[in-house]
Amino acid sequence: EVQLVESGGALVQPGGSLRLSCVASGISFSGSEMTWVRQTPGKGLEWVSYISTSGNTKYYADSVKGRITISRDNAKNSLYLQMDRLRAEDTAVYYCATFGGSCPPQRQCYNYMDVWGKGTTVTVSS
Amino acid sequence: DIQMTQSPSSLSASVGDRVTITCRASQTINNYLNWYQQKPGKAPKLLIYAASTFQSGVPSRFSGSGSGTDFTLTITSLQPEDFATYYCQQTYSSPPWTFGQGTKVEIK
Repeated sequence: EVQLVESGGALVQPGGSLRLSCVASGISFSGSEMTWVRQTPGKGLEWVSYISTSGNTKYYADSVKGRITISRDNAKNSLYLQMDRLRAEDTAVYYCATFGGSCPPQRQCYNYMDVWGKGTTVTVSS
Repeated sequence: DIQMTQSPSSLSASVGDRVTITCRASQTINNYLNWYQQKPGKAPKLLIYAASTFQSGVPSRFSGSGSGTDFTLTITSLQPEDFATYYCQQTYSSPPWTFGQGTKVEIK
């Protein structure tokens, strides 16, 4: 069964740190590009970060740049999100998702988030 | 950044109704447009990518169309399990890959 399982969400004070984890099973994790997406209470979805299969390429949303670091350990089928200097506006459900793609010949790939975890909740409050 | 705007924000419909949701991009994204369905307490589920290509297992009552800046998701005959929130997302060029604000489909 294809599965992504997030963990590490918690209640943390503003300015604090947290490390989220996502463990994959049933997929070729080392061959999967990965992303984190968050959803704030009652609101919509926000892409947060991306990492390539090797971990050499990383992207971040402007709202988290400089405070969040994405990483992966392919030997452990695991994806991580290190979150520092947390703010109230970081309160959200954090999902990990595979960044899949359909690549027609001689064209840019059509990318999408096709396998999602169930999410882990981060609450930043004093 | 490319902004994605969905309309309406919510709608009420009955089982069997035809439902259309619109998504507009702030600049052209060709057809690099995805649709997701999300039910309460669950993760989003990919329905359609490349504006009109079905993800495996998606019922044929769902269809997507559009190119450039304007896109639609249509449900031809709404079923009880289709009551959910739907999001569009662009994955054109470099990140950020932005989502629309969502359209909640509720039971009339």
